[in-house]
Amino acid sequence: SQQGEEDPQALSIQEGENATMNCSYKTSINNLQWYRQNSGRGLVHLILIRSNEREKHSGRLRVTLDTSKKSSSLLITASRAADTASYFCALTGGGNKLTFGTGTQLKVEL
Amino acid sequence: DAGVIQSPRHEVTEMGQEVTLRCKPISGHNSLFWYRQTMMRGLELLIYFNNNVPIDDSGMPEDRFSAKMPNASFSTLKIQPSEPRDSAVYFCASSLRGASRETQYFGPGTRLLVL
Repeated sequence: SQQGEEDPQALSIQEGENATMNCSYKTSINNLQWYRQNSGRGLVHLILIRSNEREKHSGRLRVTLDTSKKSSSLLITASRAADTASYFCALTGGGNKLTFGTGTQLKVEL
Repeated sequence: DAGVIQSPRHEVTEMGQEVTLRCKPISGHNSLFWYRQTMMRGLELLIYFNNNVPIDDSGMPEDRFSAKMPNASFSTLKIQPSEPRDSAVYFCASSLRGASRETQYFGPGTRLLVL
């Protein structure tokens, strides 16, 4: 099964700035999800975008999906120190099996 | 809701010993997933169950690994015998059939160290 690849691998920004991370994949998908993982914890679901959707918002999160380019982006606006975590994209090609990407480590500094 | 519960949270054992990891999914969820996370390989799906039946175990690395789900509220992942390369964080996740079935809810993980 395919795996998404996140870019960049690591990102360091100042509190209040926006953070953008990208996910690219290779084959068709049913939907794409973003998860967050705080250090030493389990993953937490953030947002799901279906293949027929182009953009989705949830609070300070904005996700876009471009199926022609096989890529998605996650934008976190007005970042906070508490947003420091690893962010993963996860792909669903069918059924309820997810394939996770390699993750982007975000550090938000005060 | 208590969320997905995993035990133990930490396990240190010696090579050759049997290790059993436990998971209680969220009540009402009918899909359960076991993942392994390492720095080198990232997050890997080992096996998943629908309605207590194993659907895909292609991620189980070797015969030393086995998983069971005797009922809807309990699953185990067993490693016998354990090896140092099995050291990782093992996560259990569950999801609900229906419109939200793609969203998975993760437990806190079991950090396994095999010496």
